[in-house]
Amino acid sequence: EIVMTQSPATLSVSPGERATLSCRASQSVSSNLAWYQQKPGQAPRLLIYGASTRATGIPARFSGSGSGTEFTLTISSLQSEDFAVYYCQQYNNWPTWTFGQGTKVEIK
Amino acid sequence: EVQLVESGGGLVQPGGSLRLSCAASGFTFSSYEMNWVRQAPGKGLEWVSYISSSGSTIYYADSVKGRFTISRDNAKNSLYLQMNSLRAEDTAVYYCARDVNWFDPWGQGTLVTVSS
Repeated sequence: EIVMTQSPATLSVSPGERATLSCRASQSVSSNLAWYQQKPGQAPRLLIYGASTRATGIPARFSGSGSGTEFTLTISSLQSEDFAVYYCQQYNNWPTWTFGQGTKVEIK
Repeated sequence: EVQLVESGGGLVQPGGSLRLSCAASGFTFSSYEMNWVRQAPGKGLEWVSYISSSGSTIYYADSVKGRFTISRDNAKNSLYLQMNSLRAEDTAVYYCARDVNWFDPWGQGTLVTVSS
């Protein structure tokens, strides 16, 4: 099983600042990585797929990068609605999909 | 609008059974693979089960293999998860999600609580 490790567990950021979230895979997943946003009481929402492609309707302040085992989600200027938990997911090792443990982005 | 709506969750005793449903709308359900993903209270996401568009190919996480059964009825645009021999550690919100390699969209989830 491919283990996905996200860091940090919690990120405290002020509105308008930049947030950088990391995701590491225990073995290469190529670019088969997605990022999701989850707000309290809501289902996860797709942000990024293919490591760097924004999903439909996702603002340009969200960007993804990386390949192989190291990935980054960057939120260029945090808005109030961006405070949430973010998960990475690999879909390279079909048919076993694994998620990171999540990074909570909180207001500083 | 693409939409997934789960139902069937509730409180069940250890060793009991429950059947979850996921109603799909806004897309050609029969053309898509589907998954169940769960989230224990305060925890992260765990993939549970996959089913191909025709229902001919099925996979399970080791944690539920032999106890859970995924199925679908393409005529009714519905996905199901039959859960037997439930344990306390199965307590979670269960989401259905459309598989396009990644998962999109997700339903709102249904809570399953296993407790005596």
